[in-house]
Amino acid sequence: QITLKESGPTLVKPTQTLTLTCTFSGFSLSTSGVGVGWIRQPPGKALEWLALIYWNDDEHYSPSLKSRLTITKDTSKNQVVLTMTNMDPVDTATYYCAHEPSASSGWSFDYWGLGTLVTVSS
Amino acid sequence: EIVLTQSPATLSLSPGERATLSCRASQSVSRYLAWYQQKPGQAPRLLIYDASIRATGIPARFSGSGSGTDFTLTISSLEPEDFAVYYCQQRSNFGQGTKLEIK
Repeated sequence: QITLKESGPTLVKPTQTLTLTCTFSGFSLSTSGVGVGWIRQPPGKALEWLALIYWNDDEHYSPSLKSRLTITKDTSKNQVVLTMTNMDPVDTATYYCAHEPSASSGWSFDYWGLGTLVTVSS
Repeated sequence: EIVLTQSPATLSLSPGERATLSCRASQSVSRYLAWYQQKPGQAPRLLIYDASIRATGIPARFSGSGSGTDFTLTISSLEPEDFAVYYCQQRSNFGQGTKLEIK
């Protein structure tokens, strides 16, 4: 079955760069059509879409955060990495990675990790 | 950038009642809209994609409709486990959510 798990620091200081890793199983990012995305959710607030990478290295970013985000994949390790530069306390959130099966052109996510809470504080 | 507006913000209903949740897009998104359910402390769960296709394992009481700019998620008869927050999504955009609470 498909599983995803986020890992990375739980606490980062303002201005630092955040690096999160999504390790998945049950599918391959070399399979045509498949993608992995990142979504975050500040405490008590709505979901916010961040980035998405496809099997063919096609990348998509949130327009408002594009300058701060980089998404990469390591197909051999079944991992996707998200980096976010210049972290600020407003970036405090639970960060999720999720599987995009390309069943739809709407970029919907059918499997999600449990999420990891990242706090930005000095 | 497309903006998704969900209404109402909060919906108070009783088990057994019918729930109707709305998502309006600021410009046409064809039928490329998804719905998710999220319970406290849990990751979102995909319910509907492409406006009306139920995801794997989703009960038939959940249905989606609409196209263009106006979409609806309907829960035909609420079960106790359906009280949660619901989000719509189109590509890089999520709505602000509708909280479905027990009346």
